[in-house]
Amino acid sequence: EVQLVESGGGLVQRGGSLRLSCVVSGFTFSSYSMNWVRQAPGKGLEWVSCISKSSSYINYANSVKGRSTISRDNAKNSLYLQMHNLRVEDTAVYYCARNLGEAAAGVYKFDYWGQGTLVTVSS
Amino acid sequence: DILMTQSPSSLSASVGDRVTITCQASQDISNHLNWYQQKPGKAPNLLIYDASNLETGVPSTFGGSGSGTDFSFTISSLQPEDIGTYYCQQYHHLPPTFGPGTKLDIK
Repeated sequence: EVQLVESGGGLVQRGGSLRLSCVVSGFTFSSYSMNWVRQAPGKGLEWVSCISKSSSYINYANSVKGRSTISRDNAKNSLYLQMHNLRVEDTAVYYCARNLGEAAAGVYKFDYWGQGTLVTVSS
Repeated sequence: DILMTQSPSSLSASVGDRVTITCQASQDISNHLNWYQQKPGKAPNLLIYDASNLETGVPSTFGGSGSGTDFSFTISSLQPEDIGTYYCQQYHHLPPTFGPGTKLDIK
């Protein structure tokens, strides 16, 4: 069974930092691009970042570019999102999502998602 | 960024009804359009990819069509477990973007 489990969310002050993690099981992690997608409370979905299976291709949404770093450890079946200089508008549930297709080839289809981890940024 | 719009924003229908949601892209996105269902308090679930392809395990009561800028998603016979919010998502142009969602409930 495919599972993705996020952790690392919490309450942080504006300007602070957090590192989100996503541990996966049930599939060969190193064979898939991975993404972070977020959802502000009561709002829609926003793609945040992607990383290719070998980490050779990385991309960010403009809203987090320069403040966030995506990474992965294929030996640990883990995906990470380091976030700095957090803003109130970063408050959201952050989901990790497996990519059905190669992100470096411009294919973004999110076929498995974790349950999400809530990041709350206070002013 | 490509702007995705959905219509209607909310919809109430009866069990057994045929339900249609439309999604429009601000530019031509070919068939690079996916549909997701999100039930309350849960993560989204991929239903349709590349406009019309049913994801493995998804009931055949769900369907999608369209290309270019105009797309539609259909539930042929609404069931109580279909309630939730439905999102379209394009990936023809970076960044991938989602529509604002259509909230579906049972009348």
